[in-house]
Amino acid sequence: DADVTQTPRNRITKTGKRIMLECSQTKGHDRMYWYRQDPGLGLRLIYYSFDVKDINKGEISDGYSVSRQAQAKFSLSLESAIPNQTALYFCATSDRTVNQPQHFGDGTRLSIL
Amino acid sequence: RKEVEQDPGPFNVPEGATVAFNCTYSNSASQSFFWYRQDCRKEPKLLMSVYSSGNEDGRFTAQLNRASQYISLLIRDSKLSDSATYLCVVTRYSSASKIIFGSGTRLSIRP
Repeated sequence: DADVTQTPRNRITKTGKRIMLECSQTKGHDRMYWYRQDPGLGLRLIYYSFDVKDINKGEISDGYSVSRQAQAKFSLSLESAIPNQTALYFCATSDRTVNQPQHFGDGTRLSIL
Repeated sequence: RKEVEQDPGPFNVPEGATVAFNCTYSNSASQSFFWYRQDCRKEPKLLMSVYSSGNEDGRFTAQLNRASQYISLLIRDSKLSDSATYLCVVTRYSSASKIIFGSGTRLSIRP
């Protein structure tokens, strides 16, 4: 079983719809992150959380919201999806100890038509 | 200028060759460094951490040069399975944790 699980793996939806991407982890890590990846732009941080109910904006948070109600879960919402939010989305976790690397989920491929 | 820069490649080398690529960073307060490997349409996976003293893991060697602000990755005796995109990651911890990914260097190993 994967340590960091994202659902759904793929999603196609229409402009204006509300979408939620879920991330759950069994690693016991305090820190969780949401990234998006676009061709040629690398990974960009959307939001991150260092603990339950702790929420911090990343580089590109506009148009997104997150919820961290439990240590193991971190969900990302697109309130009203638009086509330029079409991307590959990754959830990641890391331990609270300084200098620890991140561990990624398998990714969610999201297409907004 | 990006805070973390990598040569996008692609590097196209024959199997068995040695290949190296660098990643430069602009913020001298950066504290920890990593190399990740990402296969097409897959998640990034940690390849190795990079320490000031340099570190080696089998055919892979990573080094950090704080004076010139770059990290490097050397792959010896390259295999076809080494074909992937290699991402460098630079982090620093202050009032807000900052984790920056490079855009990646594409490596293609040919038979």
